[in-house]
Amino acid sequence: DTAVSQTPKYLVTQMGNDKSIKCEQNLGHDTMYWYKQDSKKFLKIMFSYNNKELIINETVPNRFSPKSPDKAHLNLHINSLELGDSAVYFCASSQEGPSTQYFGPGTRLTVL
Amino acid sequence: QKEVEQNSGPLSVPEGAIASLNCTYSDRGSQSFFWYRQYSGKSPELIMSIYSNGDKEDGRFTAQLNKASQYVSLLIRDSQPSDSATYLCAVNLVHNNNDMRFGAGTRLTVKP
Repeated sequence: DTAVSQTPKYLVTQMGNDKSIKCEQNLGHDTMYWYKQDSKKFLKIMFSYNNKELIINETVPNRFSPKSPDKAHLNLHINSLELGDSAVYFCASSQEGPSTQYFGPGTRLTVL
Repeated sequence: QKEVEQNSGPLSVPEGAIASLNCTYSDRGSQSFFWYRQYSGKSPELIMSIYSNGDKEDGRFTAQLNKASQYVSLLIRDSQPSDSATYLCAVNLVHNNNDMRFGAGTRLTVKP
């Protein structure tokens, strides 16, 4: 059984479009995250949610918005996509506090 | 100083040798340290976690932590070609909601 799943795996779209990436975890974890990994492979945290409360928001453009309908889901919405948004986006989950994070398979976003 | 620093590599070792991966961190209050492995095109997966000063061994992997020097390392004994991957060091930031920060990763190549 997949622990952390993301859809879609690949996403190709035009500049200016709005898109969403979905994430679900079946581990019963309290905290979920979104990371962006750029072409240099640097993994940068974007958001984390703990029991529906946003507890981290790095200097991410407000075009990006996380939405959590329940504890098992954290979706990422991106408005007005730009070329620089092209990257691999990883969802992850963990127990509350500094513990092991389990990553989803990633979504490769390409903005043309 | 970056929050978590690693040599980007590439680090190349022959099969059967010991690979040594290093990581330094800036938050002196950090308590939790993790090593993740990421194969090309895949998501990061946990190799080891370490919380106390000293060595922690798991099979061919040994994590070493020195909080006074703010230094954590990963040794891979009897390196195999299948160990070729990028290794990510992750540290919790006590002064930022216990947020986890990842280093840029060290790319390891084990040559047969």
